[in-house]
Amino acid sequence: KQEVTQIPAALSVPEGENLVLNCSFTDSAIYNLQWFRQDPGKGLTSLLLIQSSQREQTSGRLNASLDKSSGRSTLYIAASQPGDSATYLCAVRIAGGTSYGKLTFGQGTILTVHP
Amino acid sequence: SQTIHQWPATLVQPVGSPLSLECTVEGTSNPNLYWYRQAAGRGLQLLFYSVGIGQISSEVPQNLSASRPQDRQFILSSKKLLLSDSGFYLCAWSSMDRDGAQYFGPGTRLTVT
Repeated sequence: KQEVTQIPAALSVPEGENLVLNCSFTDSAIYNLQWFRQDPGKGLTSLLLIQSSQREQTSGRLNASLDKSSGRSTLYIAASQPGDSATYLCAVRIAGGTSYGKLTFGQGTILTVHP
Repeated sequence: SQTIHQWPATLVQPVGSPLSLECTVEGTSNPNLYWYRQAAGRGLQLLFYSVGIGQISSEVPQNLSASRPQDRQFILSSKKLLLSDSGFYLCAWSSMDRDGAQYFGPGTRLTVT
């Protein structure tokens, strides 16, 4: 059974810092890995999607890497801003036709960026 | 572009009352559809998924049921709510015709009193 772990559970940083959020998964047979952002009381916003054949994806100040063999992904946020404060969730999609696109989520990292 | 809608946004219901939450997707055909629940302070739990009209798979035995009467409509129901059904319910879709990513709706906050 796939298990996803995110470290740290919470992170508080001053504005302007570069930071790294970690995600690990137990089964390397994944189809893709997705990073989401969730603001309080809101749905999930997809940030980055990394296919199993890719090593990294970038969007603006965000960069996500994937090391499938070691079961790890990192989300790098450059020059953090107070508006980045949210919960960040990592999710993996298992490979195989019978997975039907189901995702396994980590518990999330609560990020607070203070001015 | 694709859009996913959920309603209602918030709901307060007494124990024992029925429930119907609706989710619709626009701008795509034959999506996979999913219902998740997010309890306070906990991660997302997949409740149901559907790969086509009338095709529902349950991930967790519970007091809830799901139906997919149309290609882009997904409904979550209960005949009698329990206190433990309180939570944040999220609908999502994915399509292999696109990038295989999953996209979420705005959610419904359900409080059972």
